[in-house]
Amino acid sequence: GEDVEQSLFLSVREGDSSVINCTYTDSSSTYLYWYKQEPGAGLQLLTYIFSNMDMKQDQRLTVLLNKKDKHLSLRIADTQTGDSAIYFCAEIPFTGGGNKLTFGTGTQLKVEL
Amino acid sequence: SAVISQKPSRDICQRGTSLTIQCQVDSQVTMMFWYRQQPGQSLTLIATANQGSEATYESGFVIDKFPISRPNLTFSTLTVSNMSPEDSSIYLCSVEGDNYGYTFGSGTRLTVV
Repeated sequence: GEDVEQSLFLSVREGDSSVINCTYTDSSSTYLYWYKQEPGAGLQLLTYIFSNMDMKQDQRLTVLLNKKDKHLSLRIADTQTGDSAIYFCAEIPFTGGGNKLTFGTGTQLKVEL
Repeated sequence: SAVISQKPSRDICQRGTSLTIQCQVDSQVTMMFWYRQQPGQSLTLIATANQGSEATYESGFVIDKFPISRPNLTFSTLTVSNMSPEDSSIYLCSVEGDNYGYTFGSGTRLTVV
């Protein structure tokens, strides 16, 4: 089976924008999520998008969805040092049955001063 | 969103022993999910726990190794049995939250020596 893919690392300067990309597996996935994991902590739900949307904005976060290419991105504006964490995209594949989250490989974001 | 209390937050265990991880939710939920996050890896679903029935395990996970209890709608336990160093991971429980998001516990960081 396919994996939900993300690039492993991203390094940005404080104040710049960060864009984290994700390629998911199931074009029928209804909900797509972005989670943040800080060192030693659990997962925090940042935002989600329904498959009938192509963009969602929530304060500094912008999610873009390209269903044709099964591509999801998370843009963080004015990135701060507190944004340093691992970011996971996740989908609920329609073909998986029920409501099982499938996670991406995770992108470690490092914010430098 | 539901609030999950997970404990212990971390433990160091001897190989061959077992550890039981507890998750308490502040509201009644139908399904609870248990995940494993191996070092530097993404999250993998171990099993789904419904109250009143046996847990449903994902491929590669078996009840003898990861017995799960779900005695009521707010509580579940996961036991990691007969541990080996390969079981060193973060274990997380999760429930379906509001607005189709999933809430996670803070995780149990297990080290087997």
